[in-house]
Amino acid sequence: AQSVTQLDSHVSVSEGTPVLLRCNYSSSYSPSLFWYVQHPNKGLQLLLKYTSAATLVKGINGFEAEFKKSETSFHLTKPSAHMSDAAEYFCVVRKNQAGTALIFGKGTTLSVSS
Amino acid sequence: DTEVTQTPKHLVMGMTNKKSLKCEQHMGHRAMYWYKQKAKKPPELMFVYSYEKLSINESVPSRFSPECPNSSLLNLHLHALQPEDSALYLCASSRTVGVNTDTQYFGPGTRLTVL
Repeated sequence: AQSVTQLDSHVSVSEGTPVLLRCNYSSSYSPSLFWYVQHPNKGLQLLLKYTSAATLVKGINGFEAEFKKSETSFHLTKPSAHMSDAAEYFCVVRKNQAGTALIFGKGTTLSVSS
Repeated sequence: DTEVTQTPKHLVMGMTNKKSLKCEQHMGHRAMYWYKQKAKKPPELMFVYSYEKLSINESVPSRFSPECPNSSLLNLHLHALQPEDSALYLCASSRTVGVNTDTQYFGPGTRLTVL
């Protein structure tokens, strides 16, 4: 069965410092993985997705993630945090190969201080 | 344009009321989804429609009744809800259901409060 585990429920950084949000996955086949962001009282916005093409995936707003099969990880990074990055981040895996149903991680709250 | 719209933004209803949530997309997507999100929790899939037909029902109570009148519109009819049904209801759409490279695009959600 597919699953994702977000290793930190809360990450705090200072503005201008790097961001690392960690996600490990479990999959019986090559997974499709996503990072979504949710700002307070808003819907979910797709940051980036991995679908077995390049292992380093670039997304919107300067975020990127690297798919590492040997480590079963898909960590999200950003070189320099901005105040507007404060939000909830979800690592997501597709439930099965044939469909688009998604399985969400529990989320990581990113706080950015000035 | 990757916009999914949802109305209303907020809804307060009593346990005996009947109300409906509406979701619309004009991206030509043929798959649409309803999710429920409780506070501080990830979204949970409720229903999936593919080409206007219900393809997945994740054992959702019958007090929630989805409807897909056409390829652009998805409704969620609510009746006799319980206070524990209070949540953010998210709609999403994707090009299709069966292609693993498709992306789901989410609407802003309807914040539902059941009194």
